[in-house]
Amino acid sequence: AQTVTQSQPEMSVQEAETVTLSCTYDTSESDYYLFWYKQPPSRQMILVIRQEAYKQQNATENRFSVNFQKAAKSFSLKISDSQLGDAAMYFCAYRSETNYGGATNKLIFGTGTLLAVQP
Amino acid sequence: DGGITQSPKYLFRKEGQNVTLSCEQNLNHDAMYWYRQDPGQGLRLIYYSQIVNDFQKGDIAEGYSVSREKKESFPLTVTSAQKNPTAFYLCASNKNWSSYNSPLHFGNGTRLTVT
Repeated sequence: AQTVTQSQPEMSVQEAETVTLSCTYDTSESDYYLFWYKQPPSRQMILVIRQEAYKQQNATENRFSVNFQKAAKSFSLKISDSQLGDAAMYFCAYRSETNYGGATNKLIFGTGTLLAVQP
Repeated sequence: DGGITQSPKYLFRKEGQNVTLSCEQNLNHDAMYWYRQDPGQGLRLIYYSQIVNDFQKGDIAEGYSVSREKKESFPLTVTSAQKNPTAFYLCASNKNWSSYNSPLHFGNGTRLTVT
């Protein structure tokens, strides 16, 4: 079974600085998708960025980028020019491309990293 | 605006009572999901539904039940059989079950407290 590990329960960054959140996963599959979700104090989950495993190029979305290392099964999130609004819980998630009895879109989440942004 | 509405935001119940959490979406999505969130455990899948009148158990379905009579609605009932029902519950949807790269859209969640 696939697992997702976020080894940093909490992180802190100064406003305007850069921070990297770590995520590793375990899978025997070759095709899958990886996601980073943000959960602010409002508790609504917001998609930050996604990566297809077959793509070698790292995904970027404005100030957010990932470092996808498929062989190492690592998927870290880099936030550049951190802003106060980036303070949130960040979840890494994995989704298989294989249809296991219809649960194709089943997301497997890590335990999250709580990011604090210091002014 | 399209989205997912979960109600109520906070819910309190006595132990032994069943309680139903509402989830409505106007995104015309076929697939809907219920997740449970506990501190330090991330999100875990309770039930999911790919189409109307069909649903499947997720990883932690015991003590829960669902229905999918309408495309827009996917209510979750927390029964008295659920041993530890106090948690934050998130409903999600996406276009259809075969949308491999279609991200999940989430509601704002319901915080259930059972005493």
